This record gives sequence, structure tokens and C-alpha cells, in this order.
Amino acid sequence: SQQGEEDPQALSIQEGENATMNCSYKTSINNLQWYRQNSGRGLVHLILIRSNEREKHSGRLRVTLDTSKKSSSLLITASRAADTASYFCATAPNYGGSQGNLIFGKGTKLSVKP
Amino acid sequence: DTGVSQDPRHKITKRGQNVTFRCDPISEHNRLYWYRQTLGQGPEFLTYFQNEAQLEKSRLLSDRFSAERPKGSFSTLEIQRTEQGDSAMYLCASSWVGETQYFGPGTRLLVL
Repeated sequence: SQQGEEDPQALSIQEGENATMNCSYKTSINNLQWYRQNSGRGLVHLILIRSNEREKHSGRLRVTLDTSKKSSSLLITASRAADTASYFCATAPNYGGSQGNLIFGKGTKLSVKP
Repeated sequence: DTGVSQDPRHKITKRGQNVTFRCDPISEHNRLYWYRQTLGQGPEFLTYFQNEAQLEKSRLLSDRFSAERPKGSFSTLEIQRTEQGDSAMYLCASSWVGETQYFGPGTRLLVL
């Protein structure tokens, strides 16, 4: 079953604007990861945030995590046409040990118009 | 630095045939994962290995599916008696325990 729910399902913006995507999840987690997927391709890892972290930056990406609300957000600043892709959040559930699987949401489809 | 590789990238087969996919992880990673992704959905976990041991299997992994990781290196995923519902992208990933999972390009399966 899919735990994460990304919001919105689709987002269309102009180049240079910021894009914000949200993710909600249901169970306690060890970490949360964001991935990008271009159409029909594999997933590219963007950023990992651990359950004891609240915010993380990587280049034009900013991720926040609120474990009390079981939610995360991904902000892409100064978007470019090349950012057009689907973005997925994936949680590593905390079952009291180091479990393996990631649970993905359905993704947000981002379209950046030049 | 070589990433995760998968072979073949595309496979078309007829219903009832068997297919086998291969995944070569990043060499120093001890965990290897298989996921399946259908159109418009996020990847769904199938199974994972730590070294050569298969530690967890999803209920999605019916008895027609079998995965191996001999010697803790590459892995194979076999689907027997394929059905049209098996059509999907099959993704492999590797990692260290508890760390980032790095994905391969996927194998796209079409069952006619």
C-alpha cells in the first residue's frame, strides 16, 4: 500500500518561479526521501531528511519535515524548464529496527514552462 | 563511479512466458531492492536483500515471482507464467543499511 500522499497531484509554473510540493504520511519513520523521475526513466535521489531533522538544503532545494504533523515539503527555488518531472516522497517506516523498504506516494507532476 | 544498472531495459513477451531481469548494484552496497511501478503510480516495494539473504517480501510478490542474489552481488528477478497485469516498470535500487537508495534505470515489461 502507498503511505505517502503528495499534494498537489500536478503543478504548472513559469520558469523562475518557486515550486512547493507537500507530502503526508501515516506511520512513524526513520527518514523521508525525495526523488525525481523524468518520464519513463529511473528515479534520481534528491535529498534525504532524517526523523530528527527539521530542515535540509541542497542547492535550489529546501526540504522540511514535521514529524508531529507527519508531513514534509519540497521547495524548488528559481525553477527551470529542466525541472519538469514527477517528484515523489518516500518514507522509510520505523518498525523498531532498520527495515528495508521505502513507501512511495503517487507523486506530483511538475511542469515548468519556459 | 558506476551506478545501478539493469538489463534488459525493455522486454516484450507473450502471456504465459517466463522472463528474467538482472540488476547490478553499486558494488560496495550491501542492500539490494526490487520495486514495481505502474503508470501514474509511485514505485511499490517487492523484496530486498541484505548481502545474499532475502530479508523481506511484499504480498505483491506472488509465487510466480522469485528473486535471488547469489554471493551478495547482482540479483535476478524472475516472473513465471507472465500475465498482462505484470506489465510495469521493474526498478532495482541499492544502498547501505538505512541510507539512501539509489535506483537503476528500470526494466519496462510489456506482456501481450
